[in-house]
Amino acid sequence: DQQVKQNSPSLSVQEGRISILNCDYTNSMFDYFLWYKKYPAEGPTFLISISSIKDKNEDGRFTVFLNKSAKHLSLHIVPSQPGDSAVYFCAARGSGGTSYGKLTFGQGTILTVHP
Amino acid sequence: NAGVMQNPRHLVRRRGQEARLRCSPMKGHSHVYWYRQLPEEGLKFMVYLQKENIIDESGMPKERFSAEFPKEGPSILRIQQVVRGDSAAYFCASSKDSPAIKPQHFGDGTRLSIL
Repeated sequence: DQQVKQNSPSLSVQEGRISILNCDYTNSMFDYFLWYKKYPAEGPTFLISISSIKDKNEDGRFTVFLNKSAKHLSLHIVPSQPGDSAVYFCAARGSGGTSYGKLTFGQGTILTVHP
Repeated sequence: NAGVMQNPRHLVRRRGQEARLRCSPMKGHSHVYWYRQLPEEGLKFMVYLQKENIIDESGMPKERFSAEFPKEGPSILRIQQVVRGDSAAYFCASSKDSPAIKPQHFGDGTRLSIL
């Protein structure tokens, strides 16, 4: 039962262009969404988040868009840089009770940015 | 991922032995979470703890696994009588106060290998 899905296992982009990573979810109780970046042999690093009351959040080169009706979110990186090459995980958190402590992760998308 | 400290980074055990994984949260953080990542998969939630309390253990296997976060000292994830299927990367995360709006910050993980 994969409640958070990242359907693209990998994405290849040229340096300077836009990277768009996608994420779909099925649980309508999710109210907070996060993107993490992960390098090999390291833990995930928090990038950006968005609450379900918003549809867009921007931080420097990173922008996250949320479409609640479609249960879809995306991460835009512009311009892409070779140092952005990593695995990107989408994560979601439920509302209420003790579920706010639990993040549900997607499978990850490997982003490769070519010089 | 400075801040959340996990040790050891690598742990090798033989089947039937016990594995103890330690996690020291970021300074000022009183909420700790454990996740497991199997090869080629995303992170899966295991347990959420506050000091001396287990808040949510819905992701913990019913047998052989236990977790604690004592008043003093690190959080410990304990796996008794390990089996080959326990081989994975185990990540600890922490957050400050309530995780309702604060992102979780991850350590670099412990890679557990079962011979």
